[in-house]
Amino acid sequence: GAVVSQHPSWVICKSGTSVKIECRSLDFQATTMFWYRQFPKQSLMLMATSNEGSKATYEQGVEKDKFLINHASLTLSTLTVTSAHPEDSSFYICRWTGLIAKRPPGNTEAFFGQGTRLTVV
Amino acid sequence: KQEVTQIPAALSVPEGENLVLNCSFTDSAIYNLQWFRQDPGKGLTSLLLIQSSQREQTSGRLNASLDKSSGRSTLYIAASQPGDSATYLCAADTSGTYKYIFGTGTRLKVLA
Repeated sequence: GAVVSQHPSWVICKSGTSVKIECRSLDFQATTMFWYRQFPKQSLMLMATSNEGSKATYEQGVEKDKFLINHASLTLSTLTVTSAHPEDSSFYICRWTGLIAKRPPGNTEAFFGQGTRLTVV
Repeated sequence: KQEVTQIPAALSVPEGENLVLNCSFTDSAIYNLQWFRQDPGKGLTSLLLIQSSQREQTSGRLNASLDKSSGRSTLYIAASQPGDSATYLCAADTSGTYKYIFGTGTRLKVLA
């Protein structure tokens, strides 16, 4: 089974509303989360890096006030898209790293979430 | 700043053909390079991970090579099958923390 749970897998929301995406590690603990987004037919672009208990570091061009990251524990990180607009429609993927406890079986794919398809109408 | 590009952007081949996907990176100071597969609307499936000290890795019909000095990696797929149809992404780790810079991807279609 999956060792990373990303929820929801897809969401449609109205322009101006906020959407929260959760990424949980199910059977391990890790310190760091990478959030990526992927626009149609494009590659994954790193948005931000967050560490448990610290403020996230955002990549150039990514608005920190629009994409709120809460990384309160070693097993849960959330990304909230605030006041979403159609141009925020994208595929968002989380990835854990910095494993500190209970290594899961398998290779590094186990650390990626399944992705969230966000459509803003 | 590390940039990763993949050629070709799209590829369509008949079933059974051997094929090579190319990945280039501008900064040779990488810790590792990984190849992924992505099916439409899905997350990532790891295929092969090559550490900087390695030259190649093999898994089944897949073989990935790494040449740091030239900034290149290739993914070789033998005897392609329709089930291999997907987008293939390479990603370079330049920080040692798996903070990957992803390539532009190659969309592969294998025709039955």
